Amino acid sequence: GAVVSQHPSRVICKSGTSVKIECRSLDFQATTMFWYRQFPKKSLMLMATSNEGSKATYEQGVEKDKFLINHASLTLSTLTVTSAHPEDSSFYICSARDREQASYGYTFGSGTRLTVV
Amino acid sequence: RKEVEQDPGPFNVPEGATVAFNCTYSNSASQSFFWYRQDCRKEPKLLMSVYSSGNEDGRFTAQLNRASQYISLLIRDSKLSDSATYLCVVVTTSGTYKYIFGTGTRLKVLA
Repeated sequence: GAVVSQHPSRVICKSGTSVKIECRSLDFQATTMFWYRQFPKKSLMLMATSNEGSKATYEQGVEKDKFLINHASLTLSTLTVTSAHPEDSSFYICSARDREQASYGYTFGSGTRLTVV
Repeated sequence: RKEVEQDPGPFNVPEGATVAFNCTYSNSASQSFFWYRQDCRKEPKLLMSVYSSGNEDGRFTAQLNRASQYISLLIRDSKLSDSATYLCVVVTTSGTYKYIFGTGTRLKVLA
């Protein structure tokens, strides 16, 4: 089945620094990827839709200048958390779908647990 | 009203029990529906798609009621390994393609 690779799985950074998270679709092309964040015991909240070759679409309340998304190729989307603060600590997950297997739903990366100290 | 709503639980059931979860959605234009399973501190994994005619996969049965705008998941003969959070997902394509998660229902199967 479709596999999505997300890296890093865990990162601890100092307040004020930036962190880049990568999401790769393996063996399939993904024109669209989604970025979610999840706080403990809460559901996944959609942050933005990443579109290959164009600007990402952000959900209401998500700062586009803080969460920079780049989807430069059909297999890679990156999320950069800029000037991270402790309240940005969360579980970030990306997802993508193999267009050839659309009925199978989206596949998720393994997630990135970000801790800002 | 939230776009997708689920009873957060937890549902504590004994092994072998049958348990059912419901999920309601507000957008009547929603087109696709899925159930995902998420284990603690892990990413969600697709459990099954939900079709209008209902579908079954082993001990799991999913159903869609478009008129009442809800989907359901039935688990028969619960196993300890079924303990997890079950997330319903509703896909809407009005304007932009969105994949919306419910808050999840936590299931704990007890020995």
